[in-house]
Amino acid sequence: QQQVKQSPQSLIVQKGGISIINCAYENTAFDYFPWYQQFPGKGPALLIAIRPDVSEKKEGRFTISFNKSAKQFSLHIMDSQPGDSATYFCAASMMSGGSYIPTFGRGTSLIVHP
Amino acid sequence: AAGVIQSPRHLIKEKRETATLKCYPIPRHDTVYWYQQGPGQDPQFLISFYEKMQSDKGSIPDRFSAQQFSDYHSELNMSSLELGDSALYFCASSPRGLAGTDTQYFGPGTRLTVL
Repeated sequence: QQQVKQSPQSLIVQKGGISIINCAYENTAFDYFPWYQQFPGKGPALLIAIRPDVSEKKEGRFTISFNKSAKQFSLHIMDSQPGDSATYFCAASMMSGGSYIPTFGRGTSLIVHP
Repeated sequence: AAGVIQSPRHLIKEKRETATLKCYPIPRHDTVYWYQQGPGQDPQFLISFYEKMQSDKGSIPDRFSAQQFSDYHSELNMSSLELGDSALYFCASSPRGLAGTDTQYFGPGTRLTVL
């Protein structure tokens, strides 16, 4: 049973458009929500993260929107560029054994056409 | 900046063989995590270590074992390999000393193919 549900599975966007990826979770014990970007053959890299006491966080062209009551969060990529083409994973974490272990969503393959 | 180093990058084994994957964390990072990522799948947490002690355990098969050494590098030992063990294995490290930090830095991964 997937604890973090991510959609869409794949996304195609034109250059300059907005890419939106959505995630939902069930366990209210999660208290840290990172997004990872993964290029083929590479390890995931932390892109941006948010905690539930904040409804929105923006870093450059990347914005996380967080809805605690709905247990949903989303990633918005503004002015999408071909270099953004990658797989994006949302994750939800809680403190366990002294560190946060992320539970990943299934991933979204983003293709940005030039 | 130094990154997480994993070796080997590619490994081909036969069924029932053993494999050892190595991970060298970023200097001064004391926590190491291991993940398994199947084709088209999300990374699945296997096990983590903090200061050479097992910290958390995820979906790691009994055929696998891991440890963290005094220099903080870690090794994932996999025995009686099965076809289903073919996957990308990622190591990640983090500096636990920073309160509340969750930033894990992933290595490039080891691609294991079991024939």
